Amino acid sequence: DTGVSQNPRHKITKRGQNVTFRCDPISEHNRLYWYRQTLGQGPEFLTYFQNEAQLEKSRLLSDRFSAERPKGSFSTLEIQRTEQGDSAMYLCASSLLAGPTDTQYFGPGTRLTVL
Amino acid sequence: AQTVTQSQPEMSVQEAETVTLSCTYDTSESDYYLFWYKQPPSRQMILVIRQEAYKQQNATENRFSVNFQKAAKSFSLKISDSQLGDAAMYFCAYRTRLNDMRFGAGTRLTVKP
Repeated sequence: DTGVSQNPRHKITKRGQNVTFRCDPISEHNRLYWYRQTLGQGPEFLTYFQNEAQLEKSRLLSDRFSAERPKGSFSTLEIQRTEQGDSAMYLCASSLLAGPTDTQYFGPGTRLTVL
Repeated sequence: AQTVTQSQPEMSVQEAETVTLSCTYDTSESDYYLFWYKQPPSRQMILVIRQEAYKQQNATENRFSVNFQKAAKSFSLKISDSQLGDAAMYFCAYRTRLNDMRFGAGTRLTVKP
């Protein structure tokens, strides 16, 4: 059973650069979620997809953040013009919409450091 | 807006003993789901237990059980017969009707041998 995978696991970048992270959900999961987790805090919801449709994106932190899931499988999260405050762990989760529970399973995360 | 509060930043328990982690939440919704997730050091988040708000019976999963008090908006996690592998950050979470999860700030659990 393959879980949620994320790449890269670590990313170090200079302020002002663009970065892109990838998430591969559990096979056949139709929902995919992105979260940000800063040190000592719980994850903070950013956006989610059902298949290829982005159903909620109002919680994206700014217009520098964008996410795609073009074929309803993997997803990418892009941060443009990175700032030091963007340094955090970015988590992806997936779920299968089948009944009311819709439990989310998390990936290992991508740790971003902006210098 | 829904918020989740975990009032215990850190907890400690002796191996084989029982510990209870607290969680309260605020919502105006009547139907929702609550979760406890475990995040071991440098490892990914793992689901521990979930509770549907419309169910009165408290959920249990082996050594893990919850005390769900809907009127009080309280959702505590009890870990029985604590093991060294239970040491982790524990996050309480509320799933909104828009399907985003609201997490508390977490409780760091230490298990002493």
